[in-house]
Amino acid sequence: EVQLVESGGGLVQPGGSLRLSCAASGFTFGTYEMNWVRQAPGKGLEWVSYISSSGSTIYYADSVKGRFTISRDNAKNSLYLQMNSLRAEDTAVYYCARTLRYCSGGSCYSEHAFDIWGQGTMVTVSS
Amino acid sequence: EIVLTQSPDFQSVTPKEKVTITCRASQSIGSSLHWYQQKPDQSPKLLIKYASQSISGVPSRFSGSGSGTDFTLTISSLEAEDAAAYYCHQSSSLPWTFGQGTKVEIK
Repeated sequence: EVQLVESGGGLVQPGGSLRLSCAASGFTFGTYEMNWVRQAPGKGLEWVSYISSSGSTIYYADSVKGRFTISRDNAKNSLYLQMNSLRAEDTAVYYCARTLRYCSGGSCYSEHAFDIWGQGTMVTVSS
Repeated sequence: EIVLTQSPDFQSVTPKEKVTITCRASQSIGSSLHWYQQKPDQSPKLLIKYASQSISGVPSRFSGSGSGTDFTLTISSLEAEDAAAYYCHQSSSLPWTFGQGTKVEIK
């Protein structure tokens, strides 16, 4: 079964740090681009960060740039999000999400929709 | 940043009725628009990719249309299990953005 399982969330004080993990199973993790998407309580979805399959290309939303760092370990089938200088507005459920990949005629390419999501991990920033 | 505006924000619908949700982009995004369903206390689920392309395993009552700046998600005959929030998402340019969501309630 294709699955993503996040962990590492919790309660942290403003200015603190937290490291989220996302364990992938059921697919060849190292061939897929990955993302973090968050959802504040009762609010909509916000894309946070993207990492290419090799880890060589990374993007961030302006709201987290300079504070969050995305990374991956393909040997461990894992995605990470290091969150520093946390603020109250970072309070949210954080989802890891796989980028849809389409293969035809021996070639594969990413379609930049998110086809598999984890169950999410809650991050609460409060004193 | 491309802003996606969905309408309506909320819709209360009788089973078997047709549901139409619109998503308007602040600038042209071609067909780089995707739709998700999020049921209460669940993760989002991809329904439609690239405005109108179906996703394996998604019921055929869900369809999408549009291009440029105006897009539509249609549920042809609402079922009780379709009670959820629906979000559009653009992947035309960074930062990728989502609409604010449309909540569909079953009457």
